[in-house]
Amino acid sequence: EVKLEESGGGLVQPGMSVKLSCTTSGFTFSDYWMEWVRQAPGKGLEWVAEIRNKANNYATYYGKSVKGRFTISRDDSKSIVYLQMNSIRSEDTGIYYCTRAFLRDWGQGVMVTVSS
Amino acid sequence: DIVMTQTPLSLSVAIGQSASISCKSSQSLKYSDGKTYLNWVFQSPGQSPKRLIYQVSKLDSGVPDRFSGTGSETDFTLKISRVEAEDLGVYYCCQGSYSPTFGAGTKLELK
Repeated sequence: EVKLEESGGGLVQPGMSVKLSCTTSGFTFSDYWMEWVRQAPGKGLEWVAEIRNKANNYATYYGKSVKGRFTISRDDSKSIVYLQMNSIRSEDTGIYYCTRAFLRDWGQGVMVTVSS
Repeated sequence: DIVMTQTPLSLSVAIGQSASISCKSSQSLKYSDGKTYLNWVFQSPGQSPKRLIYQVSKLDSGVPDRFSGTGSETDFTLKISRVEAEDLGVYYCCQGSYSPTFGAGTKLELK
C-alpha cells in the first residue's frame, strides 16, 4: 500500500523558515517524481513544486509564487521528500500535500499557519 | 501561465442523474511527445484530494467507470453518469503539460 505522510507544519512567523517532510512507503521511492501541492483555507489547489528522479537528474521546478523562496529536495535512501520554505508570508498559509507521480497519490496534508 | 477555466463552478444534481463539467485551457495542452497531460482531481469534504483521470481519459485504478473524460487541445469534459452520494464534493481539472495549473474547482452538490 502506498503511503505518504507529511510532517513539520505548525505556526510560523512571517519572514521565518520551516521545513516540511513527506515520509513515504509502499513503492520504490527513487523511481518516482514527487510534488508538493497546497490549499489555502477555503480555496482551491495550487501546485507548488516538483522534483524528478535520478534518471532525470533530480530536476526541480517551482510555481511562480514560491520560486526563489522554497526549495524541494529528496533523500532516496530514506524515501523522504522535503520542502524548505524560507521568507515565509501570510499567503503561504494553508494545507500542504505531498503527491507522487503527478497527483497519482496524496498524503493527508500538513497545515502551515503564518502569523505573528 | 496556462489558465484553466472550469464551468460551472457549482452544479446541483439528484442521485442517479448524470453530471458534466467543462474545463478549457488558455492554450493547447498537447505536449511535444504527442500526449495531452490533462487530469481530473476530486476532493470530498474534509478529505485529501484524489486523482480520478489522467491524460484526458485514462481512469486511475479503482475509479468507477461511471466517470469518463473526453476532449483535446483546449477543451475537456468530465462526465459522471449515475451520480452517487460519494461523488459529492469539488472537482478540479489540472494541466501538467506545462508549469502545472489547476482550475478553480466545480462543487457538485445534491439537488
